[in-house]
Amino acid sequence: RKEVEQDPGPFNVPEGATVAFNCTYSNSASQSFFWYRQDCRKEPKLLMSVYSSGNEDGRFTAQLNRASQYISLLIRDSKLSDSATYLCAVRGNNNNDMRFGAGTRLTVKP
Amino acid sequence: DAGITQSPRHKVTETGTPVTLRCHQTENHRYMYWYRQDPGHGLRLIHYSYGVKDTDKGEVSDGYSVSRSKTEDFLLTLESATSSQTSVYFCAALQGTGNTIYFGEGSWLTVV
Repeated sequence: RKEVEQDPGPFNVPEGATVAFNCTYSNSASQSFFWYRQDCRKEPKLLMSVYSSGNEDGRFTAQLNRASQYISLLIRDSKLSDSATYLCAVRGNNNNDMRFGAGTRLTVKP
Repeated sequence: DAGITQSPRHKVTETGTPVTLRCHQTENHRYMYWYRQDPGHGLRLIHYSYGVKDTDKGEVSDGYSVSRSKTEDFLLTLESATSSQTSVYFCAALQGTGNTIYFGEGSWLTVV
């Protein structure tokens, strides 16, 4: 079993839709959680950190469920420019221990 | 932006040849990483460094070595490239303020 798992998608949604991604992790001692966005043939870029109480940044909401060991990303009012692959990342106690999911591909269509 | 640049950005090489990828950072980050990204596997850690001359193996280190003689440079070497090392390689650094990892633009390597 992979340490961090994501549904690969693809998710194809119309503009304006709300879409949610989940990411499960196996290490219960994980300390830090992140969502990255990666465009085709580009590097992953940090979208947002995920805090225990949940956090929001504009149309994006991230949540953490420690009991069930998953994090989620909700995108409201999807834009064409949201089309990308979204990677979740989970870190344990050490700075070398960052694990990434394989990513969920999102395509937003007109 | 963590001030990370990689070179070369694209390279085609023959099986059995040595290859070195360079990662250069300008912001004095202590921790640096080399990842490879392959379809279905996501990003996997090859090696990391926690200071000058301090390096350690990641989960897919076989066939790779690294060196860090200066804070700003982290080199990844494929001693004898194989076709299974065809991949995109990302260098990354840990930014202390947010405790998050930022990536360079990637190096696309093809071994033929």
